[in-house]
Amino acid sequence: QKEVEQDPGPLSVPEGAIVSLNCTYSNSAFQYFMWYRQYSRKGPELLMYTYSSGNKEDGRFTAQVDKSSKYISLFIRDSQPSDSATYLCAMSEISGTYKYIFGTGTRLKVLA
Amino acid sequence: NAGVTQTPKFQVLKTGQSMTLQCAQDMNHEYMSWYRQDPGMGLRLIHYSVGAGITDQGEVPNGYNVSRSTTEDFPLRLLSAAPSQTSVYFCASSYLGQGLNQPQHFGDGTRLSIL
Repeated sequence: QKEVEQDPGPLSVPEGAIVSLNCTYSNSAFQYFMWYRQYSRKGPELLMYTYSSGNKEDGRFTAQVDKSSKYISLFIRDSQPSDSATYLCAMSEISGTYKYIFGTGTRLKVLA
Repeated sequence: NAGVTQTPKFQVLKTGQSMTLQCAQDMNHEYMSWYRQDPGMGLRLIHYSVGAGITDQGEVPNGYNVSRSTTEDFPLRLLSAAPSQTSVYFCASSYLGQGLNQPQHFGDGTRLSIL
């Protein structure tokens, strides 16, 4: 079993929809959670990161962490065609190991 | 501010050849790392460094060497290329942040094909 599981998609939604992207993990030592967006033939770009359980909002994006269920989500409100990309979750322990574990990514397509 | 710069962007090698992938950052980040990205496998950590002169292995280090002589540069060396090393390679960097892992900044990758 992988430490981090992420549905690869593809996920197709109409413009304006609310998108929910999810990852599950098995390592209870993970305390630091990140979401990256990756456009085709580009490097991952950090969207959001959080150290704690609960919700964190930034514009149209909301990151949610449920440590008791080992489950994290990224919500995109009012999705736009420009949001079409692959979304990667990543996790690490807070300190000490300096190793980040990435999900395989979910490919999202927002249809105009 | 260029961020993380990787060169070359594309490279084709023959089996057994050696080469060095270059990575440079201008943000004075202590932490630098190399990943490979393969379909269905996600990003996998090859090697990382927490400062000049300090490197350590990640999840898939075999066949790769690194060194860190300056804060800015972190080259990745393939000693004898194998077809299994065909992949997209990403370099990333971040601050260390007093023991807290910090968000990483990525370059745009090097696409490497081994024939």
